[in-house]
Amino acid sequence: GAVVSQHPSWVICKSGTSVKIECRSLDFQATTMFWYRQFPKQSLMLMATSNEGSKATYEQGVEKDKFLINHASLTLSTLTVTSAHPEDSSFYICSARTSVTYEQYFGPGTRLTVT
Amino acid sequence: GQNIDQPTEMTATEGAIVQINCTYQTSGFNGLFWYQQHAGEAPTFLSYNVLDGLEEKGRFSSFLSRSKGYSYLLLKELQMKDSASYLCAVQGEGTGFQKLVFGTGTRLLVSP
Repeated sequence: GAVVSQHPSWVICKSGTSVKIECRSLDFQATTMFWYRQFPKQSLMLMATSNEGSKATYEQGVEKDKFLINHASLTLSTLTVTSAHPEDSSFYICSARTSVTYEQYFGPGTRLTVT
Repeated sequence: GQNIDQPTEMTATEGAIVQINCTYQTSGFNGLFWYQQHAGEAPTFLSYNVLDGLEEKGRFSSFLSRSKGYSYLLLKELQMKDSASYLCAVQGEGTGFQKLVFGTGTRLLVSP
């Protein structure tokens, strides 16, 4: 149980285009989902927290207009990187938790390369 | 502010025991997690401590001292597959104490 999937697992896009990454909880209802970014050999940096049906809460320094997060249902959250640039190339990981558990369940990650 | 410190790298030999330390200073505390992450993969949950003391789970144990802001992860009978990064994360203030703040991670290399 407690499986989180992400799609796509990797994506290459051209500078200036937008990319959407999906995060799904497959066998539980995720009241809260988190989006992280991880650069090579660095730790996970929280980008934003989203609760189902509410606007996402962004961490300081994360541009909300560039990283659009939607959490429309209890099993799906999406992250759209708008007008992507090479510096946005990174490993994006989502996690999800229920309202009663303390643990966050992580997705397998999406590797974004912007050329 | 939030500050979580771990050693950057550690090496050990197969069959040995290794202890990875984590010290933290965070706004609020609602538990400490240890995750294992292999290169290019998502983190996998290892342990959770919210009360002081030792939690043992097979070859892995985790210890917490809230008064000292200190935790360690103990790995016994090391295997080659244990070569990975180990992330310490504190659940603290923010978004109803759901937010996880991660340390920089410790890269562990297990050699034969």
